[in-house]
Amino acid sequence: QSVLTQPPSVSGAPGQRVTISCTGSSSNFGANYDVQWYQQLPGKGPKLLIYDNTNRPSGVPDRFSASKSGTSASLAISGLQTEDEADYYCQSYDNILSGSVFGGGTKLTVL
Amino acid sequence: QVQLVQSGSELKKPGASVKVSCKASGYTFTKFSINWVRQAPGQGLEWLGRINTNTGNPTYAQGLTGRRFVFSLDTSVNTAYLQISSLKTEDTAVFFCVRPMAQRLNTFEYWGLGTLVTVSS
Repeated sequence: QSVLTQPPSVSGAPGQRVTISCTGSSSNFGANYDVQWYQQLPGKGPKLLIYDNTNRPSGVPDRFSASKSGTSASLAISGLQTEDEADYYCQSYDNILSGSVFGGGTKLTVL
Repeated sequence: QVQLVQSGSELKKPGASVKVSCKASGYTFTKFSINWVRQAPGQGLEWLGRINTNTGNPTYAQGLTGRRFVFSLDTSVNTAYLQISSLKTEDTAVFFCVRPMAQRLNTFEYWGLGTLVTVSS
């Protein structure tokens, strides 16, 4: 059971917008630790998608956006493309565990 | 450019040990920690811990029981190692080494391709 809770799966049609939630607690998001998001394409290693809650590394399309409020965070993907089909993970720091923690991951299916 | 090149897949029997290497290039090795992340088959990502490449001081995730997992370095060849002893079948996973973003210890910017360790009799 992950410290950060994500829905197991989401889906959307090409061109649509989907959101993926990530619920934490007072020892991570609530303690003001930042959230990161990673994309893992099938058979590949993870790729940093969002850092410091809302920032995109260079090269990440602006179709990807994210937010954080209180003990929750979310990733939004607009203008869905078939190549967005992947697993998405949220990640933060937890001060009770004294280490980084990941969400369980959400599989995005582009219908 | 930053690269983390990991050693190849391993097949081990239960009770054996394995040592996974991660050779860094494209930056000053001792300026960034190296993290280790595990992904069991069909499962999510799990942070195992990090090693300070300047001091050699490791930090292990609380969930790691005993001392079966050991992080080490050879700074002369810019390489980090993950050694797992007394292997169990449930240790079967892909292990990633990861370098954080500058000034952000818990933001994992650069990932190795992963090393598959299979434990089977």
